[in-house]
Amino acid sequence: DAKTTQPPSMDCAEGRAANLPCNHSTISGNEYVYWYRQIHSQGPQYIIHGLKNNETNEMASLIITEDRKSSTLILPHATLRDTAVYYCIVSGSGGGADGLTFGKGTHLIIQP
Amino acid sequence: DTEVTQTPKHLVMGMTNKKSLKCEQHMGHRAMYWYKQKAKKPPELMFVYSYEKLSINESVPSRFSPECPNSSLLNLHLHALQPEDSALYLCASSRAPAQGGEKLFFGSGTQLSVL
Repeated sequence: DAKTTQPPSMDCAEGRAANLPCNHSTISGNEYVYWYRQIHSQGPQYIIHGLKNNETNEMASLIITEDRKSSTLILPHATLRDTAVYYCIVSGSGGGADGLTFGKGTHLIIQP
Repeated sequence: DTEVTQTPKHLVMGMTNKKSLKCEQHMGHRAMYWYKQKAKKPPELMFVYSYEKLSINESVPSRFSPECPNSSLLNLHLHALQPEDSALYLCASSRAPAQGGEKLFFGSGTQLSVL
């Protein structure tokens, strides 16, 4: 049973911000929101995670709504190399260490 | 060193063969994972090792046998596989088990074809 809902695909123009939404309406208080991406034929790559507060790192920003039922991953200046499948994952009190359960993800295509 | 190394990168085996996949990390991580990924599907968790002990087995058939000889090394022994077992096998590691907010580091995988 999926814990997250993501659009199957999205397009974004190169140089623009890519905003990837994720719905996780059944999230519980001790569950984190993780984002990973997978470029074709490579292993998944960690992007960012958060619990309640918005987070930013060198790759992206994570905006979590106040009720924590949804979040948005923002890639501020998308490049062609950002074309990948992006996975939004909710994980419990064991955090990622119990093993993450991947949903279907969003295939983000950056257009030149 | 933030790398998880998997060997071999590609493997072709017959249904009667025995082979092993190897995964190595030198980040001092104490949790290691095996995932299986079929084409155009998300990765599926197979096994989790915590402090070199098997902690999660997601009902994987016995023809897949994991082994964690030490904290840096994880093997997956394969025997009598079926063609439907052809997939990308991914290894991952994380700093500590049972801690909130742990990041998983993935290797680039072994592409397995069973003939």
